[in-house]
Amino acid sequence: IQMTQSPTSVSAYVGDRVTFTCRATQDIRSWLAWYQHKPGRAPKLLIYDVSSLQSGVPSRFSGSGSGTDFTLTISNLQPEDVATYYCQQADSLPLTFGGGTKVEIK
Amino acid sequence: EVQIVESGGGLVQPGGSLKLSCAASGFSFSDADMHWVRQSSGKGLEWVARIRTKGNKYATAYAASVKGRFSISRDDSMNTAYLQMNSLKTEDTAIYYCARQIVVPNYYYYYMDAWGKGTTVTVSS
Repeated sequence: IQMTQSPTSVSAYVGDRVTFTCRATQDIRSWLAWYQHKPGRAPKLLIYDVSSLQSGVPSRFSGSGSGTDFTLTISNLQPEDVATYYCQQADSLPLTFGGGTKVEIK
Repeated sequence: EVQIVESGGGLVQPGGSLKLSCAASGFSFSDADMHWVRQSSGKGLEWVARIRTKGNKYATAYAASVKGRFSISRDDSMNTAYLQMNSLKTEDTAIYYCARQIVVPNYYYYYMDAWGKGTTVTVSS
């Protein structure tokens, strides 16, 4: 299963709402996660099962979608949200990730 | 506190071998499936391998790109997982992350909820 994310990068102002997408090449039902990855740090699970927020993750992060098309939204973008975000399908092995969307602050 | 620390990375020549370690603490290691994921420079994340628990016969799975060359194992008495990498290629150059598969009662999910900071493997002559 191939995962494609778009856009590859996004630049927005603090306080903006940012949305990016992830598309699977086949139906993965609701088996989708989003991770945040900052350089030199461990990747962090943000959302699983499309929209379930991992413990401790701020509520400004939200996910939606089903089947093949999914979105991650960051409302009220904060400076600490600068990172690359990856989607991952959890439907079947081999697990696969999208290419990532890099979020920057204007 | 959950901690995962990878070690064993380094510089190795093409065709060589390297064994990575993943030391875990702060959770019941023997109850968790463990994964290795890598990231090549400037590229995204690539899943490498998974090992299940003793109750699931330590079942393993591999990405096609490493199958037959890499071997994942674990020592529950040491709370450590390993990745033995043989016949290394230049394209195996990457940061290798160890990650815990999430444990949710009555569910089996392929999500990874705890990761280490990675260890760098460079394959070059």
